[in-house]
Amino acid sequence: EVRLVESGGGLVQPGGSLRLSCAASGTSFNSGFTFSSYWLNWVRQAPGKGLEWVANINQDGSERYYADSVKGRFTISRDNVKKSMYLQMNNLRAEDTAVYYCATMFTIKFGPLYHYGMDVWGQGTTVTVSS
Amino acid sequence: EVVLTQSPGTLSLSPGERATLSCRASQSVGTYLAWYHHKPGQAPRLLIYGASGRATGIPDRFSGSGSGTDFTLTISRLEPEDFGVFYCHNYGALPWTFGQGTKVEIK
Repeated sequence: EVRLVESGGGLVQPGGSLRLSCAASGTSFNSGFTFSSYWLNWVRQAPGKGLEWVANINQDGSERYYADSVKGRFTISRDNVKKSMYLQMNNLRAEDTAVYYCATMFTIKFGPLYHYGMDVWGQGTTVTVSS
Repeated sequence: EVVLTQSPGTLSLSPGERATLSCRASQSVGTYLAWYHHKPGQAPRLLIYGASGRATGIPDRFSGSGSGTDFTLTISRLEPEDFGVFYCHNYGALPWTFGQGTKVEIK
């Protein structure tokens, strides 16, 4: 079973920085699940709010996309050797307070098109931005 | 960005009843729409991709339909473990977006 574990959350003042990590583990990596084959995502949930997609990165890190709310402040990256993904968060704001989840994304041909789904998720790490 | 509007905000139903959840997009996303189920304290769970494809391990009481701007998630017979919040998710146009969620309460 593949598992994702987030870390790096905590309390930070407005304007500060944090670096979140997402590490993959599990026996499936030894039986055919290749970390480097998957797109990876960050999704967050602010207190009392719904899910918000934050960013994603392709298999070799050459493509990265961001939500407008974090563009220019957050940077997503990955290290396939370490089976890890990161989210560098700078210039943090109170509205960045949330539980941050990482998720792998599969690609599947369904009918004539290729589709995506975020199928393996971590349990989340909490980021609190407050003075 | 594509705005997804879900309705109703809350559904209160008894086990065995049918639940119908709606998701409307502000512009066409084709069939690039997924549904997720999120329970408190747990990670979200993928239910449906491609508007109607059931993810691995998802019971057949869950079904999705629609294309373009109007989508539906149907739970044919509610089970007690189906409580929580259901989100639709656009991955057809960047930035990707989620709907605001429909909360399903079990009577």
